[in-house]
Parts: sequence; C-alpha cells; structure tokens
Amino acid sequence: ILNVEQSPQSLHVQEGDSTNFTCSFPSSNFYALHWYRWETAKSPEALFVMTLNGDEKKKGRISATLNTKEGYSYLYIKGSQPEDSATYLCAFISNFGNEKLTFGTGTRLTIIP
Amino acid sequence: NAGVTQTPKFRILKIGQSMTLQCTQDMNHNYMYWYRQDPGMGLKLIYYSVGAGITDKGEVPNGYNVSRSTTEDFPLRLELAAPSQTSVYFCASSFEAGPGYTFGSGTRLTVV
Repeated sequence: ILNVEQSPQSLHVQEGDSTNFTCSFPSSNFYALHWYRWETAKSPEALFVMTLNGDEKKKGRISATLNTKEGYSYLYIKGSQPEDSATYLCAFISNFGNEKLTFGTGTRLTIIP
Repeated sequence: NAGVTQTPKFRILKIGQSMTLQCTQDMNHNYMYWYRQDPGMGLKLIYYSVGAGITDKGEVPNGYNVSRSTTEDFPLRLELAAPSQTSVYFCASSFEAGPGYTFGSGTRLTVV
C-alpha cells in the first residue's frame, strides 16, 4: 500500500492572501503525480499532471511544483478568492505498471471573505 | 460531451439487498475505475479495468464485483449490501495514465 499524505488537513485563508500546501509521496518508483480540485457536491476535476522532477505547472492563480527525489509536491494559490474554496487532492502513480492512482486525504481550503 | 455518467445519484438499500451502480463514458477511455469516499478517509480504489474484458481488484474490493464487457461501460455490483458499504461511490476514466482522470458525479448509497 502506497502512502500519500497531505498537509494541512484543513486551512482557512483570508481573501486576497496567498497560500500553499503539501503532498508527500514515495520517492522511489515514481511515475506521475496528479492534483485535483474537488468542490463540495461536485466531482473531482483534474488540475495538473506532473511527471518530471522539477516540473512547475500553472493554471491562472494556481501553480504546483514537483520534487520526485525527496517525494513532495507543493500547490500554491496566489491572491485567494472565495471560489477557490474546495478540497485539493493529490494522487500518486508508481511505475509498477498498473497505472492506478493512490489518493491523499486532501486539504480542505476555506477562503474567508 | 457527456463525459462519465453515473446512475443512480442516490439510493437507499436494505441490508442483504443487491444493486448495480452504472457507469458509462463516451470518451473512448480504456481505463476505468471505481472509488468509494468515506469521511476523513479519502478516495479508496475498489476495482479498476485497463480495457474491455480485463478487471482487477483495488484496495477495498470485498463485497463488490465488476465487469467490463465494453469499453464504455463499467458497472459495479453489490450482491449482499451491508451497512459498511454506506458511502459515496465515484466512477472515473482515463486514457491510460494520461491527462488526469475524468470523474462521474457520484452515487450516494445508504444501507440500512
């Protein structure tokens, strides 16, 4: 069983502030890391798929970095807005050949207007 | 674009009853998955399929069965419902391990 951990579990951020949170995953047998955004009462939506050490991806005010050697990824949100309130999931795929995601338990982000 | 369609959205079952959760995708994805989501536990993989005719167990397969007779459909069967199967179930699909999974809208199942 692969261990994917996210911290913090929950976070309250003032509107306009920037924030970041962490995903830790096994540093061996890395294949890919996914980030998903999951709004309440909806289904998860893919944000980023990262495969190379040192990858940086950006979508609007949200960006992510990847360090496969030490087994972590950061998700950054710049200038938080109320619509950023959601649970952010990371998920790891190993290169064992079965290509299925192991999800972390998520970081629940609440933006305070 | 329908994406991944799950039915039903809600269901209440009595202990010992059986039911099938339907999942259909129209994106010609070869990989399909069933996850369950329990509070504080994240998404746990029940079963997955890498193509028509091929299925494999995930992390929590006990009490469930699946089939994949076509690329589009991946139904999840509960034979003898138990209260421990009360959960929200998500179906997802992907083109191999490519640009992220596409999730269905979920099925909230309560077993009483």
